[in-house]
Amino acid sequence: KQEVTQIPAALSVPEGENLVLNCSFTDSAIYNLQWFRQDPGKGLTSLLLIQSSQREQTSGRLNASLDKSSGRSTLYIAASQPGDSATYLCAVEGGKLIFGQGTELSVKP
Amino acid sequence: DGGITQSPKYLFRKEGQNVTLSCEQNLNHDAMYWYRQDPGQGLRLIYYSQIVNDFQKGDIAEGYSVSREKKESFPLTVTSAQKNPTAFYLCASSMFQGGSGQPQHFGDGTRLSIL
Repeated sequence: KQEVTQIPAALSVPEGENLVLNCSFTDSAIYNLQWFRQDPGKGLTSLLLIQSSQREQTSGRLNASLDKSSGRSTLYIAASQPGDSATYLCAVEGGKLIFGQGTELSVKP
Repeated sequence: DGGITQSPKYLFRKEGQNVTLSCEQNLNHDAMYWYRQDPGQGLRLIYYSQIVNDFQKGDIAEGYSVSREKKESFPLTVTSAQKNPTAFYLCASSMFQGGSGQPQHFGDGTRLSIL
């Protein structure tokens, strides 16, 4: 059974810092991995989708990597801003999406 | 603007009552999904549908029912059999279901509470 774990559960950083969020999964038989952002009381916004054949995807200040063999993905956020404060969720798809519990990020001005 | 609309934003249920959560999409997506989110937990799949008039149970379908009579609509009914319905409910859609590499798009959710 696929399990997805995100560490840390919460993270607080000063503005301008580069940071890394971690996601691990137990079954490497996946089609793709997605990173989402969730603002309080809102739905999810898709940030990046990495196909199983890809190693990384980039969008602006965000870079996500995927290492299927080790069951790990990282989301790198460069030059963090207060507007980046949100919960970040990763999810793996192997027929259906299985979500991690999320990392709550707070970027202090 | 294309997107997914969930209504109502907040919903209250009395004991023994069935309530229905609405989800409409104008993205022309084939697949639609219902998730439940509890505090401190990730999303869990309740039901999903790949095409009209067809749907499948997810991981936590007990106490819930759905219908898919139109491509654009996928309502979720929380029945009285669901003993712990208080949660944040999210609807999503995607171009195809499973393994297609297409991202899921989410609505803004409905928060259901017990009176």
